[in-house]
Amino acid sequence: NAGVTQTPKFQVLKTGQSMTLQCAQDMNHNSMYWYRQDPGMGLRLIYYSASEGTTDKGEVPNGYNVSRLNKREFSLRLESAAPSQTSVYFCASKTSGTPYEQYFGPGTRLTVT
Amino acid sequence: QKEVEQNSGPLSVPEGAIASLNCTYSDRGSQSFFWYRQYSGKSPELIMSIYSNGDQEDGRFTAQLNKASQYVSLLIRDSQPSDSATYLCATLHKAGTALIFGKGTTLSVSS
Repeated sequence: NAGVTQTPKFQVLKTGQSMTLQCAQDMNHNSMYWYRQDPGMGLRLIYYSASEGTTDKGEVPNGYNVSRLNKREFSLRLESAAPSQTSVYFCASKTSGTPYEQYFGPGTRLTVT
Repeated sequence: QKEVEQNSGPLSVPEGAIASLNCTYSDRGSQSFFWYRQYSGKSPELIMSIYSNGDQEDGRFTAQLNKASQYVSLLIRDSQPSDSATYLCATLHKAGTALIFGKGTTLSVSS
């Protein structure tokens, strides 16, 4: 039982390049999330998927797209990376009912130069 | 106003003392509250959940909820240097779809 896994762990991009961050969970959770964490800003929600087949914008969705590929996998795509997207990205999944326990992956540290 | 507010700290306590971390929230409809611990360079880890007014205890940790005052706290008894981390307060967003986090309070426990 690996929990929530993310790839890659580290990535350096040049401005304008694109990439996809991968996330998978093996806990049979319906809901999955992408957050970014910046110094002094805390964790901010980018996009979420309450269930397979649905996605919704969070607090900071601009510059990102997501795909809920199946119940296990939720990817985050940067189409044209910008230096402002330098951050640590966390994927998470959550139980649907009580207790509402949300678990995080190990994170991807992204630098855009 | 951000939905969840925390004092960023750092909060410094000596080993063996009680650390008290506080959080306020703006949405009166919030029902579920969570405390996460995050070590430097690691991902957040759930340590406490609380859903009703009063206290919820788990080992050295006690979460307290006061819905009338829109206030959540975390007490850590017998603080240890290994408790040094950033503590994130979170509430379940309206419609129960996602957790919204405060910016976190950094705790430093000195031996």
